[in-house]
Amino acid sequence: SQKIEQNSEALNIQEGKTATLTCNYTNYSPAYLQWYRQDPGRGPVFLLLIRENEKEKRKERLKVTFDTTLKQSLFHITASQPADSATYLCALDDSNYQLIWGAGTKLIIKP
Amino acid sequence: DAMVIQNPRYQVTQFGKPVTLSCSQTLNHNVMYWYQQKSSQAPKLLFHYYDKDFNNEADTPDNFQSRRPNTSFCFLDIRSPGLGDAAMYLCATSRDAGGDHEQYFGPGTRLTVT
Repeated sequence: SQKIEQNSEALNIQEGKTATLTCNYTNYSPAYLQWYRQDPGRGPVFLLLIRENEKEKRKERLKVTFDTTLKQSLFHITASQPADSATYLCALDDSNYQLIWGAGTKLIIKP
Repeated sequence: DAMVIQNPRYQVTQFGKPVTLSCSQTLNHNVMYWYQQKSSQAPKLLFHYYDKDFNNEADTPDNFQSRRPNTSFCFLDIRSPGLGDAAMYLCATSRDAGGDHEQYFGPGTRLTVT
């Protein structure tokens, strides 16, 4: 079955630098991959969706890449700010038209 | 603003005492989901409705039930909560099913079982 791996260790980044988060999957390549932000005690908030035939997607300071050969997606936040501190989850579509979720990586942006 | 609302935000129940969590949406989305999320873990899908069609995940315990009386509302019933059911319960909606549709989440209900 499909498994998603996100770094369970928190990522500490200095303000102003680029933060890069990794999402690896183990089995088939999904048709779609989504990234969400989750703040403590809140529900996830959708950020970006990328399709399997797209190499890269951008939205303001956010960029997502999708490499089906490596079975990996990278999520970048450029010019990071303390307000970007949160847990970032990736999710893939499965054969039942639902999303399979990663546990997320906690990002800490230090001033 | 269109949104997903969950009540209550915090729920404390006793071991074995039935509890109901509620979710409502103003997005008029076809699909509604219930997820269970424990600390530092991935959201775990319990079940979802596509319109009135109910879809139960294979590993969702029988202790968990759901109702969707209309498009706007969905309820999660836990018939006999155990200590292991303490978690954040998230309701989400999407316009349609499939990975090409983003999900909109409510703020969650934090369930404590004493």
